[in-house]
Amino acid sequence: NAGVTQTPKFRILKIGQSMTLQCTQDMNHNYMYWYRQDPGMGLKLIYYSVGAGITDKGEVPNGYNVSRSTTEDFPLRLELAAPSQTSVYFCASSYGSTNEKLFFGSGTQLSVL
Amino acid sequence: EDQVTQSPEALRLQEGESSSLNCSYTVSGLRGLFWYRQDPGKGPEFLFTLYSAGEEKEKERLKATLTKKESFLHITAPKPEDSATYLCAVRAKGYDMRFGAGTRLTVKP
Repeated sequence: NAGVTQTPKFRILKIGQSMTLQCTQDMNHNYMYWYRQDPGMGLKLIYYSVGAGITDKGEVPNGYNVSRSTTEDFPLRLELAAPSQTSVYFCASSYGSTNEKLFFGSGTQLSVL
Repeated sequence: EDQVTQSPEALRLQEGESSSLNCSYTVSGLRGLFWYRQDPGKGPEFLFTLYSAGEEKEKERLKATLTKKESFLHITAPKPEDSATYLCAVRAKGYDMRFGAGTRLTVKP
């Protein structure tokens, strides 16, 4: 059972470039999330989805976009990358929402130079 | 605004030296307090969920407790393999889970 799979693991972008972080889960979870983790800070929610075709903003959505065309996939799009987007990005999923634990991927370390 | 503060930021223990990690929280309508373990280069891994004051959960050398304002993660007779960053998170209204910055635990043999 693969769980939550993220690609790539590492990426370096130049300022102004765009990229998509991929996330897929094989647990048939309805809820999926994107978090970023910065040194000395807690994980911050970027976007989340409660099911295919439904997405909404989290705490720090500026500079990002998402889509959810299938239950399994939840890609995160960075447009016009900026140094402030240098971070470690984690995708997570859960079966339910309010009381459910999150299952995390192994993360994508992104540097914008 | 919901807030989660963890202390200490870092903790170094000798193998077998028991201690506690603290998670203080301010939230309206707590729906769950979560503890996760995070190893370097990996995503957080779920440990416990606590729902109401007075609740306790145990797993091997770890025991989590909850009051109305804080949670403790007690580590009894730790081993080097317990070295990791321990994250606390709270879920209130909505879909967001608010995380603390974590406590980085190092257990020396």
